[in-house]
Amino acid sequence: QSVLTQPPSVSGAPGQRVTISCTGSSSNIGAGYDVHWYQHLPGTAPKLLIYDNRNRPSGVPDRFSGSKSGTSASLAITGLQAEDEADYYCQSYDSSLNIVIFGGGTKLTVL
Amino acid sequence: QVQLVESGGGVVQSGRSLRLSCAASGFTFTSHGFFWVRQAPGKGLEWVALIWYDGSKKYYADSVKGRFTISRDNSKNTLYLQMNTLRAEDTAVYYCARDIGDFSRGGSKFDYWGRGTLVTVSS
Repeated sequence: QSVLTQPPSVSGAPGQRVTISCTGSSSNIGAGYDVHWYQHLPGTAPKLLIYDNRNRPSGVPDRFSGSKSGTSASLAITGLQAEDEADYYCQSYDSSLNIVIFGGGTKLTVL
Repeated sequence: QVQLVESGGGVVQSGRSLRLSCAASGFTFTSHGFFWVRQAPGKGLEWVALIWYDGSKKYYADSVKGRFTISRDNSKNTLYLQMNTLRAEDTAVYYCARDIGDFSRGGSKFDYWGRGTLVTVSS
């Protein structure tokens, strides 16, 4: 059971918009710790997609965006493309556990 | 370009040891802390261990504390994970990841990861 809760799966047709939620608590996201998002295709290195809640590293398309409010964060992907099919993980820090924490991951299927 | 390449994985019997390596290149190794993160089959990501840029501080997940040791050789630009008394539940792909945040402020975040090395612990 992950400290950060993500939906196991989401799906959407090409061109559509999907969102992936990441729900935490008052000791992590709600305490003000930043949320980061990673894209992971099996057999490859995870890729930083969004850092510090809403910032995109160089090279990440602006189709990807992040937001945070209260004890939750979200990753939105617009203009879905087949290449977006991957697993997505949120990550933050928990002050009660004093550790880096990850969400359980969400598998995005492009229909 | 920045590269992190893990090695040392394999099949090992329960109770035995294994040492993983992560060779870094394309950046100033001594400027960054590093994590080992693992992914068990069908599971999500789990942090394993962290080492500061100068090796002065190390932190471990409760699940590996006392069994695993993280270290680094700054002269070789290489990160290590010594894994002792391995258990079946340690079976996973192990990734090294470069930290560009500040763990002491809860700000760790990982901009580069390796492709991972698979450790399989057989009983």
